[in-house]
Amino acid sequence: ILNVEQSPQSLHVQEGDSTNFTCSFPSSNFYALHWYRWETAKSPEALFVMTLNGDEKKKGRISATLNTKEGYSYLYIKGSQPEDSATYLCAFWGTYKYIFGTGTRLKVLA
Amino acid sequence: DAMVIQNPRYQVTQFGKPVTLSCSQTLNHNVMYWYQQKSSQAPKLLFHYYDKDFNNEADTPDNFQSRRPNTSFCFLDIRSPGLGDAAMYLCATSRLHSGSGGETQYFGPGTRLLVL
Repeated sequence: ILNVEQSPQSLHVQEGDSTNFTCSFPSSNFYALHWYRWETAKSPEALFVMTLNGDEKKKGRISATLNTKEGYSYLYIKGSQPEDSATYLCAFWGTYKYIFGTGTRLKVLA
Repeated sequence: DAMVIQNPRYQVTQFGKPVTLSCSQTLNHNVMYWYQQKSSQAPKLLFHYYDKDFNNEADTPDNFQSRRPNTSFCFLDIRSPGLGDAAMYLCATSRLHSGSGGETQYFGPGTRLLVL
């Protein structure tokens, strides 16, 4: 059974803190790993599409790394702001399978 | 702005009463997807269309059907909703099929279905 796990399930951080969370996925039959940000009452928004082992991507204060050999990706947020509060989803694309994790719910306290 | 639109945002139906959820896109993308997300669970792919080619996931119940009359519109039909079908239903598009996994998916805001 293919499984994508995200940790932690939820976390609260203070404004200005940096934070990171993890997505674990199968290390075989890997094609891509996607990260999304999903704010309440809005559409999930694509952050990164990562395909190569060792990939590092950055968008503003958010960055992500990818290790396909061991099956994990980290998402980092530097200097968290209240507007970063959202659920962060990762999705694994393997051989003909697109599987989401359950997400990490981030709350940034002002 | 180009986008993926889902209507309605909230849908209430009765047990066993057919219901249709709608999705439209102005991105002119070839692929449209339907996901089901139950509370505290991961979104689960139900099926997708690559142009007019329908691709059903193996574990999608027969109760769920889909139609894509043209590039812009895609519908999710639930023939006889049960209480267990209450969920958020997300529509997404991508320019091409994610055969290599590299295609970004663009999501609508979802329709939350309540079954009474």
